[in-house]
Amino acid sequence: DGGITQSPKYLFRKEGQNVTLSCEQNLNHDAMYWYRQDPGQGLRLIYYSQIVNDFQKGDIAEGYSVSREKKESFPLTVTSAQKNPTAFYLCASSIGDITYNEQFFGPGTRLTVL
Amino acid sequence: AQSVTQLGSHVSVSEGALVLLRCNYSSSVPPYLFWYVQYPNQGLQLLLKYTSAATLVKGINGFEAEFKKSETSFHLTKPSAHMSDAAEYFCAVSGVEAELVFGQGTRLTINP
Repeated sequence: DGGITQSPKYLFRKEGQNVTLSCEQNLNHDAMYWYRQDPGQGLRLIYYSQIVNDFQKGDIAEGYSVSREKKESFPLTVTSAQKNPTAFYLCASSIGDITYNEQFFGPGTRLTVL
Repeated sequence: AQSVTQLGSHVSVSEGALVLLRCNYSSSVPPYLFWYVQYPNQGLQLLLKYTSAATLVKGINGFEAEFKKSETSFHLTKPSAHMSDAAEYFCAVSGVEAELVFGQGTRLTINP
């Protein structure tokens, strides 16, 4: 089955640690996205990538980093510079031009800072 | 800049009653609009999308939405609510740089 996988489902981090969230898709989509979801705030865009080896900052990129070395993979690193990282993180992908193509979402990773 | 406002963070209806979830958008270009549904601790699933074809869009699970340019609205409706419709619903508009801009979400509760 084609789809998007995210791992781990739950992640616990100590303050000051960097952690990496995995996102893999086998839909052959060009574009991939990372969102952060907090209660009552909807989804906010962290980073997106429309092609391999290229990515752009979203609305809340500070304290996060990404890479796009392969078309199917778009890992997100939450660095120690992110002051309030506890949230639900969602990865998505689309064919490329989302002006009319929907985004497909993974099941999410819930990150908790201890 | 594109933006979306969902009126009502929580909506509660009785089983069998009409469901109406409100969405208003702001867009500097002809918009492409989406409704997604999210069940607890899961990702988002597309319900329906408007891409400038028919103004009345039918989606999955009996939901539909009507694009009204004069009102800058894209409200989501379902004639008869089912217990399985309980979830959070998000309206989104396409951005100018190939991103999606989401509303804050509306949590739908169905009363038996």
